[in-house]
Amino acid sequence: AQSVTQLGSHVSVSEGALVLLRCNYSSSVPPYLFWYVQYPNQGLQLLLKYTSAATLVKGINGFEAEFKKSETSFHLTKPSAHMSDAAEYFCAVSEVGFGNEKLTFGTGTRLTIIP
Amino acid sequence: DSGVTQTPKHLITATGQRVTLRCSPRSGDLSVYWYQQSLDQGLQFLIQYYNGEERAKGNILERFSAQQFPDLHSELNLSSLELGDSALYFCASSVDRGEADTQYFGPGTRLTVL
Repeated sequence: AQSVTQLGSHVSVSEGALVLLRCNYSSSVPPYLFWYVQYPNQGLQLLLKYTSAATLVKGINGFEAEFKKSETSFHLTKPSAHMSDAAEYFCAVSEVGFGNEKLTFGTGTRLTIIP
Repeated sequence: DSGVTQTPKHLITATGQRVTLRCSPRSGDLSVYWYQQSLDQGLQFLIQYYNGEERAKGNILERFSAQQFPDLHSELNLSSLELGDSALYFCASSVDRGEADTQYFGPGTRLTVL
């Protein structure tokens, strides 16, 4: 069974500082990995996804993530935080194969930006 | 705007009642997914339909059921509601070509059971 662990339910960074949100996964088969962002009272929006092509994935709004198989990690980073990045971030995993498209989400990390 | 629409936006009802949540996927998307987001359970997959047929089932209660119609819209039916069913219910859709297609999420329906 697949699962995702997000370390840190709350992360605070200063505006302009590096953002690092951690995600570790568990999967019995090659995984697909995703980062979604949820702004207050809104649905989830895809930031980026890993589908076994390049291990360094670039997404929207300046975010990127690196797939590290040896560490079973897919951490999300952004070099310089902006006030508009304040939101909740979810890491998710799905698996290759028919009927395995469902997303299994982590518990989320709430990102606060300090002015 | 993801292109996925959900109605109603908010729903307040009493225990024991039955409600229907509706989802219209993005044009061209064949798969519809339902997820539940609650404070204690987080985001959980409930069920997936592909072109009218059930494809995958998650932790969906027997009191809950879903279907996808020929026009590809989907409905999630929740019956014998309990206080613990209060949550945000999301619908997502994807083209589903079998290559980890992006799931586009609707704005959700917030269900409050009193």
